[in-house]
Amino acid sequence: SYVLTQPPSVSVAPGKTARITCGGNNIGSKSVHWYQQKPGQAPVLVIYYDSDRPSGIPERFSGSNSGNTATLTISRVEAGDEADYYCQVWDSSSDHPVVFGGGTKLTVL
Amino acid sequence: QVQLVESGGGLVKPGGSLRLSCAASGFTFSDYYMSWIRQAPGKGLEWVSYISSSGSTIYYADSVKGRFTISRDNAKNSLYLQMNSLRAEDTAVYYCARDGATREFDIWGQGTMVTVSS
Repeated sequence: SYVLTQPPSVSVAPGKTARITCGGNNIGSKSVHWYQQKPGQAPVLVIYYDSDRPSGIPERFSGSNSGNTATLTISRVEAGDEADYYCQVWDSSSDHPVVFGGGTKLTVL
Repeated sequence: QVQLVESGGGLVKPGGSLRLSCAASGFTFSDYYMSWIRQAPGKGLEWVSYISSSGSTIYYADSVKGRFTISRDNAKNSLYLQMNSLRAEDTAVYYCARDGATREFDIWGQGTMVTVSS
C-alpha cells in the first residue's frame, strides 16, 4: 500500500517560514491535502488539491507538489500556528484508498 | 451551518460491540461520500472506512475489516459505524468526515471517544 512520510517535528521562529514535507512514491501524480490539528480539536483542512486554500484559511498557508515530495509552507509563522500537520492522498489503485502521513509537530520557538 | 455530530462512543469490554452515529446538517448529505477516521491517544490519524453517496461502494482498513460495518441512511442524514469484536487497540477518538470534490476531507465532526478496556 501507498506510504506517506513526514518528519516528526519542525521548529521555526515567529515571523519566519516553516516548510513541512510529505514524501511518497511519485506523489506529484496525486492530489495532496493538508490538515492542521490543535490539541483536543478535530483536524481542519488547510490545503487541498496540492495548493488550494479553503475559505477562511490565511494566505500564509500554501502548498506545492512535485516528483516525490509535497510541501506545506507557512509564511510569517505565528504562535497560533503551533499544531500537528498531516498530509493525505487518495490512492485510486488501492482497496485502501485513503492514506495519511504520520504527522508533523510544528513548534513555534 | 454545515455540521457533523458524532455520538455513541463510550467504554466497552474487549470483545464487545458499539454503534457510532454521525448526524449531518447544513448540506445535502446524499450527495457526498463519507468516511470514518480514528486517532488513538497520542497517535496520528488512521482512516477506518469509506462509503459512497449511495452506499454501493465501501472500503475498510485491514485493521477493522470483518469486524466493523459502515452504513448510511440518506433519509435520516446519518452515517453509522457498527463495531464488533472490539480490541484494546481500537481505543481512539472516532471522527466522521465529509469527502470533498477532490477526495479531501473538508468537514469533520468533533469526534467521539471509544475506550476498549476490561
